[in-house]
Amino acid sequence: AQSVTQLDSQVPVFEEAPVELRCNYSSSVSVYLFWYVQYPNQGLQLLLKYLSGSTLVKGINGFEAEFNKSQTSFHLRKPSVHISDTAEYFCAVSANTGGFKTIFGAGTRLFVKA
Amino acid sequence: EAQVTQNPRYLITVTGKKLTVTCSQNMNHEYMSWYRQDPGLGLRQIYYSMNVEVTDKGDVPEGYKVSRKEKRNFPLILESPSPNQTSLYFCASSPYRGRTGELFFGEGSRLTVL
Repeated sequence: AQSVTQLDSQVPVFEEAPVELRCNYSSSVSVYLFWYVQYPNQGLQLLLKYLSGSTLVKGINGFEAEFNKSQTSFHLRKPSVHISDTAEYFCAVSANTGGFKTIFGAGTRLFVKA
Repeated sequence: EAQVTQNPRYLITVTGKKLTVTCSQNMNHEYMSWYRQDPGLGLRQIYYSMNVEVTDKGDVPEGYKVSRKEKRNFPLILESPSPNQTSLYFCASSPYRGRTGELFFGEGSRLTVL
């Protein structure tokens, strides 16, 4: 079975500052990893995904994430945030084996202050 | 425009009154799924469907039913809603059988059961 832990429930940060949202996962098999963003009153949309290959993945809106297999982490980063980045961010894992389930973390609320 | 459409977006009902939340996608995706989102718990899968007439339970199926008679539609049925089913519900679809690919989400249906 897989599980996902997002280590921070809320992250306040000032505009133009860098941010890191932390995600750790556990799995006995190889996995695919995702970050989704949810803006207020909207559904989730994909920010980026890691399937294989380069461990540094770039996504939309200037976000990137690094897959670290030894630490079972997939932290999301942005070098300079904007007010419009205020949203909830979800880390998700999908096992590369039988079964068709994506497991989501509890979410991290990013609050960008002026 | 490619999208997943859910209805209703908001619903207040009373205990025991049967209701259906509809979900329709226009992307010809094989895989569809229902999630509920609760504070601090992230998204939890209720049911999913690999294709027409193929459905299976997710992590929290109790109190819910689904059907997949057509590829584009995947309604969620609450036969006898209870207050613990008050939640935000999301329908999602994927062209990759949900295992490796991106999930496309609807905008959500907020259900309150009194």
